[in-house]
Amino acid sequence: AQSVTQPDIHITVSEGASLELRCNYSYGATPYLFWYVQSPGQGLQLLLKYFSGDTLVQGIKGFEAEFKRSQSSFNLRKPSVHWSDAAEYFCAVGAGTSYDKVIFGPGTSLSVIP
Amino acid sequence: SQTIHQWPATLVQPVGSPLSLECTVEGTSNPNLYWYRQAAGRGLQLLFYSVGIGQISSEVPQNLSASRPQDRQFILSSKKLLLSDSGFYLCAWRGRDNSPLHFGNGTRLTVT
Repeated sequence: AQSVTQPDIHITVSEGASLELRCNYSYGATPYLFWYVQSPGQGLQLLLKYFSGDTLVQGIKGFEAEFKRSQSSFNLRKPSVHWSDAAEYFCAVGAGTSYDKVIFGPGTSLSVIP
Repeated sequence: SQTIHQWPATLVQPVGSPLSLECTVEGTSNPNLYWYRQAAGRGLQLLFYSVGIGQISSEVPQNLSASRPQDRQFILSSKKLLLSDSGFYLCAWRGRDNSPLHFGNGTRLTVT
């Protein structure tokens, strides 16, 4: 069965520091991968997605993610974190026929120290 | 442009009462539709998804059900709510072109 793990439940970084959020997936075929961000009490906003092509994907708000098939990973990075980046981050995988089934990881909560 | 509407925004219901949450999408046709639940401090659990009218895939056995009576309408229902049904319910849609999910603003359900 498909699954997504995000090993870090909570991460705290200082403003201006670099950030890496980890994501590992389990899926037998080529996955369709996403990162979403959720501010408190809000819906989810897409940061970036990977389906094929260049394994380094650029997203909004200065985020990027790298797909590594050998490690079944899709880690999210940002070189310099801003206080407004404090939120919940979710990795997701599209699977099944036409990638209809979209499974989310448990999320990583990011706190930013001014 | 496409928009997704989900209502109500908040709902407080007693245990044993029925539930009906509605989600509609505008500006697109034949979308995939999804219901997720987010318990406090936890990730998103896929409840149901639909690839067409009357086609519902259930991911988690529970006392909830979903229906898709029209192409762009997705309804989440329960005949008798449980305390454990409390949570944040999110509706989402995506196109058939492997586009990403687009989420509604969610419904905060509290079962008392």
